[in-house]
Amino acid sequence: QQQVKQSPQSLIVQKGGISIINCAYENTAFDYFPWYQQFPGKGPALLIAIRPDVSEKKEGRFTISFNKSAKQFSLHIMDSQPGDSATYFCAARRDTGRRALTFGSGTRLQVQP
Amino acid sequence: GAVVSQHPSWVICKSGTSVKIECRSLDFQATTMFWYRQFPKQSLMLMATSNEGSKATYEQGVEKDKFLINHASLTLSTLTVTSAHPEDSSFYICSALTGISTDTQYFGPGTRLTVL
Repeated sequence: QQQVKQSPQSLIVQKGGISIINCAYENTAFDYFPWYQQFPGKGPALLIAIRPDVSEKKEGRFTISFNKSAKQFSLHIMDSQPGDSATYFCAARRDTGRRALTFGSGTRLQVQP
Repeated sequence: GAVVSQHPSWVICKSGTSVKIECRSLDFQATTMFWYRQFPKQSLMLMATSNEGSKATYEQGVEKDKFLINHASLTLSTLTVTSAHPEDSSFYICSALTGISTDTQYFGPGTRLTVL
């Protein structure tokens, strides 16, 4: 059972544009929602994360919007750059128990110069 | 952020042999480590969770006798792929957590396994 659904599968954005990736989750027990960036042949790197007690978090060009009632969260990349071209994964986990992350299916972002 | 290393970064082996992959937390003590497998252009799939000094918990469908996990210390976990076959070829990634419930999960750089 896929507990975190991510869309779109791929995304092409012009340099300077806004990239938006969406995720929806099913398990209301999730406490923590991170976004990871992965370049080919590398491990995922934490980009930004949010908890359900806030609706938005911004770090530099990256913003997470969180809608608890809709069980959805999204990543916005402002002023997208070619160096942002990578695969982005949303994830979710509980802060109790095993605390294992459940990942979305990933979005391949290509920022064209 | 905290650093997690993996060794080797890539390995090629013959079918039927065993391969050991190490995962180390370099600047923190990891009470919990996770092993993931990632096939090309796919997401990360959790294989198992290991806690220092106890047996690993495997996800459904993961063969515990094939993928041996040992978490001998607070900074080292190993994954041994026994009797490897071509279908085991994949990108294996570990991650680590401290004992703080709200902490960040840091990932290693991954190990590319190719079984001929």
